[in-house]
Amino acid sequence: DAGITQSPRHKVTETGTPVTLRCHQTENHRYMYWYRQDPGHGLRLIHYSYGVKDTDKGEVSDGYSVSRSKTEDFLLTLESATSSQTSVYFCASSPATFYSNQPQHFGDGTRLSIL
Amino acid sequence: KNEVEQSPQNLTAQEGEFITINCSYSVGISALHWLQQHPGGGIVSLFMLSSGKKKHGRLIATINIQEKHSSLHITASHPRDSAVYICAVEVGADGLTFGKGTHLIIQP
Repeated sequence: DAGITQSPRHKVTETGTPVTLRCHQTENHRYMYWYRQDPGHGLRLIHYSYGVKDTDKGEVSDGYSVSRSKTEDFLLTLESATSSQTSVYFCASSPATFYSNQPQHFGDGTRLSIL
Repeated sequence: KNEVEQSPQNLTAQEGEFITINCSYSVGISALHWLQQHPGGGIVSLFMLSSGKKKHGRLIATINIQEKHSSLHITASHPRDSAVYICAVEVGADGLTFGKGTHLIIQP
């Protein structure tokens, strides 16, 4: 397994507060991803990183920012949380280069509720 | 944007039955993934395919690149196979595009 952990696992917070979710991997994977999972939509890509300090937007990036200062850590920040950001958030990592044959490894998810 | 469609959305079967879940996509891909998600939420990668067929235990995954279609088969299904099965496609390394999943229940 990739040894990928997410923290916190559960969080309840109020609208307008900042929230940071952490993803930590111990496999020295180059690529890291943040997804959200919602009923009726499935999993959708928020942001991804292809190296330290190298990040890019995904399909649903509005309202989210990310940072990657070390290979092993990928942070997802909600600057001012809204109820529409209530979701289950999954981090994933992969050693992949373009067209490599390596699957993504997923964390166990963070259940975030914004009241 | 790649559209990924899975069928069926829900499937209930009896233990021992042969199960098939289908996935189709709209744009050329570099790889297709099959994932499993159990109640409680953890996501596990089952297969990653770019051509042909792969087998792991009772699970078989096939892909037809020309038809933009993949199938996941489960032979001799068991209640522990009950889970959500998710198809996802990859174009390069900029993340996956997912289907909405197939909810599979295997009854004893």
